[in-house]
Amino acid sequence: AQSVTQPDIHITVSEGASLELRCNYSYGATPYLFWYVQSPGQGLQLLLKYFSGDTLVQGIKGFEAEFKRSQSSFNLRKPSVHWSDAAEYFCAVADTGGFKTIFGAGTRLFVKA
Amino acid sequence: DGGITQSPKYLFRKEGQNVTLSCEQNLNHDAMYWYRQDPGQGLRLIYYSQIVNDFQKGDIAEGYSVSREKKESFPLTVTSAQKNPTAFYLCASTRGSGSYNEQFFGPGTRLTVL
Repeated sequence: AQSVTQPDIHITVSEGASLELRCNYSYGATPYLFWYVQSPGQGLQLLLKYFSGDTLVQGIKGFEAEFKRSQSSFNLRKPSVHWSDAAEYFCAVADTGGFKTIFGAGTRLFVKA
Repeated sequence: DGGITQSPKYLFRKEGQNVTLSCEQNLNHDAMYWYRQDPGQGLRLIYYSQIVNDFQKGDIAEGYSVSREKKESFPLTVTSAQKNPTAFYLCASTRGSGSYNEQFFGPGTRLTVL
């Protein structure tokens, strides 16, 4: 069965510093991968997605993610974090044979001044 | 503006009561989903519906029920059979029914059992 692991429950970075959030997935075929962001008390918003092709994908708000098949990873990066990026981030993998999306447990990002 | 609305934002329930959470979308999306979110557990799928008058159980359907009588509406009832209903509930929709579609989420309903 598919699964998604986000090893870091929470991360704290200084404003202006770079960010990398880790995501590992378990899936037999080429996965459909997503990163979503959730502000406190709100729904989720799609940051970016990977289906095929270029392994480095660009998203909204200056985020990017790199798909590495050999490592079963899809890490999210941002070169310079802003205070408004403080939120919870979810990695997800889609069940390509069906209709479900499997979400990781999330990583909460704190940004310090 | 198109989007998904959920109501109420906060809901309090006494033990033994059924409650219904509303989810409406004006995106003309075919598929709709209900998720439950608990701290540290991500999102878990309760029910989903690909078309009107059809829905399937997700991973944690016990104690919940849904209906899909209209394309734009997908209400969730939390019954008294749900032993631990206190959680944040999220409704989502997708344009098509395949899992590769981007999910659009509502703002959520926080349910607390007193």
